[in-house]
Amino acid sequence: DTAVSQTPKYLVTQMGNDKSIKCEQNLGHDTMYWYKQDSKKFLKIMFSYNNKELIINETVPNRFSPKSPDKAHLNLHINSLELGDSAVYFCASSSGGREDEQYFGPGTRLTVT
Amino acid sequence: GQNIDQPTEMTATEGAIVQINCTYQTSGFNGLFWYQQHAGEAPTFLSYNVLDGLEEKGRFSSFLSRSKGYSYLLLKELQMKDSASYLCAVTIRAYYKLSFGAGTTVTVRA
Repeated sequence: DTAVSQTPKYLVTQMGNDKSIKCEQNLGHDTMYWYKQDSKKFLKIMFSYNNKELIINETVPNRFSPKSPDKAHLNLHINSLELGDSAVYFCASSSGGREDEQYFGPGTRLTVT
Repeated sequence: GQNIDQPTEMTATEGAIVQINCTYQTSGFNGLFWYQQHAGEAPTFLSYNVLDGLEEKGRFSSFLSRSKGYSYLLLKELQMKDSASYLCAVTIRAYYKLSFGAGTTVTVRA
């Protein structure tokens, strides 16, 4: 069974479109995250939810809106896509403590043309 | 914010040892993680240090000095499958988030 899953794995779309990426974890974790990994492989936190509540919101354009319908799901919606949004987006989850390892999903490679 | 530095690339021979250094400057430091990421795949957990000293896990060991803001990951008996990017990440007391360094790409040659 996949611990953290994301759909889709690949997403190719045009500038200006709106798209969503879905994430689900079956580990029973309380905390979920979205990360962006750019072409230089730098992995940067975007958002974090703990028990469906937003606890981390880094400096991310408000075109990006996360939504957590329940503890097991964290979706990312992106409006008006731009070329610079092209990256790999990783979802992750953890038990919630600062000392708990994070489990990453397989990533969604977003290409904006 | 957090300032995390690690070398960009390292190359080593199969069977050898490689040490990847990570230095950090952050207020409210809590602990330090090492993750491994193979090309095109997700990061996977390797180790976590919160106290000073060495943590050993098979062929991989991780060391932390809180007073020096320094950690290293030691990979012994290198295998071809160890070719990957190794990410150093710190947590601070107030938040749940991980702040990652840029990663060190290790290439193992036969």
